[in-house]
Amino acid sequence: VVMTQTPVSLSVTPGQPASISCKSSQSLLYSVGKTALSWYLQRPGQSPQLLIYEVSNRFSGVPDRFSGSGSGTDFTLKISRVEPEDVGVYYCMQTVDLPRTFGQGTKVEIK
Amino acid sequence: EVQLVESGGGLVQPGGSLRLSCVASGFTFSSHWMSWVRQAPGKGLEWVANIKPDGSEKYFMDSVKGRLTISRDNAKNSVYLQINSLRVEDTAVYYCARDMGVFDIWGQGTMVTVSS
Repeated sequence: VVMTQTPVSLSVTPGQPASISCKSSQSLLYSVGKTALSWYLQRPGQSPQLLIYEVSNRFSGVPDRFSGSGSGTDFTLKISRVEPEDVGVYYCMQTVDLPRTFGQGTKVEIK
Repeated sequence: EVQLVESGGGLVQPGGSLRLSCVASGFTFSSHWMSWVRQAPGKGLEWVANIKPDGSEKYFMDSVKGRLTISRDNAKNSVYLQINSLRVEDTAVYYCARDMGVFDIWGQGTMVTVSS
């Protein structure tokens, strides 16, 4: 399953919203109401961390300014008000099939 | 504290071998699939392999099949990745992650550099 993220990079003013798109080459729906799409943030010099699972569920401790949406093959991660600590590379990942595959990443920078 | 700690990386010549280790703590290791993910310098994330809780099923990325072995020792809360016939393109940070269909716990990574 090929995962395609856009844009490649994003420069955002603090307090402004940001949106990242992720498209998969096949449906990620694997059960009624279950879609195998998750989002990760890798801050500079750090390991990736889970933000969103099953399209729209925030992981423990993730601020509510992060939200996920979408279905089938089209997905979006939104940050309602970007803060300086949101800088890093964001990845979507599918686990509906093996091999597990990631998008190529979207680098978010602060203006 | 829930954590994963990798070790075993280093500088290796092309054609050499390495065994990476990942030790888990803070959760019931024997109940979970585990994955290895790698990241070449300046590049994105690439899933490499995973292993079932009892070790009976293992899956690999196509491009590394035949060169990689994944194993685990539930008594030691550890998962291993053996990489043989190392190539320059295997140079990367290797992360282990708890695989629940999402990767909710990641280690800090161990760097593997393949160079002559």
